[in-house]
Amino acid sequence: DSGVTQTPKHLITATGQRVTLRCSPRSGDLSVYWYQQSLDQGLQFLIHYYNGEERAKGNILERFSAQQFPDLHSELNLSSLELGDSALYFCASTQAGGGYNEQFFGPGTRLTVL
Amino acid sequence: TQLLEQSPQFLSIQEGENLTVYCNSSSVFSSLQWYRQEPGEGPVLLVTVVTGGEVKKLKRLTFQFGDARKDSSLHITAAQPGDTGLYLCAGVFDQTGANNLFFGTGTRLTVIP
Repeated sequence: DSGVTQTPKHLITATGQRVTLRCSPRSGDLSVYWYQQSLDQGLQFLIHYYNGEERAKGNILERFSAQQFPDLHSELNLSSLELGDSALYFCASTQAGGGYNEQFFGPGTRLTVL
Repeated sequence: TQLLEQSPQFLSIQEGENLTVYCNSSSVFSSLQWYRQEPGEGPVLLVTVVTGGEVKKLKRLTFQFGDARKDSSLHITAAQPGDTGLYLCAGVFDQTGANNLFFGTGTRLTVIP
């Protein structure tokens, strides 16, 4: 158990819909990272928040957005869903905002878009 | 977009055999990490290498960072069925210290008893 929690574990929805994925980092961790893992593209970095502020963006679509709240939990919002958005979505947390610190990954949310 | 290529993509070996997995990039890493992921779980960090030419050992696993910091390898000696999983290399490229990881496509290892 990494100490990072993600909900829900599974999510099945239809094209065009909007969903929210939730991540609670380890106690004391200030950074939250979001990743998308699909079969054909591996793990893709989406976005990084540090202490409530966006720190960096990766390959995140405009239909996707995220935020980190004062209690440090984070939400990833996916809208106008397409079949290709079906994937595993992971969040990871680390104490600091950078450096070589280990990222601790949650168990992921499996999103299926039908 | 930084590209990390891992090879082989799939590897199936008998228990007791040795194997090597490679991770290559055209860009220089500021650091590189190796993760192992099991089905239904998130990746778990195995090692971080920072210095060119660095070698780290973790029991039967040996990690090497290339001198130019563009490539890395993972060698497993006398593989065990418990080593089965998806091995991912992940590089940190930016110099800002934001620690954003860019992952390779992974090597799926199966060790047959």
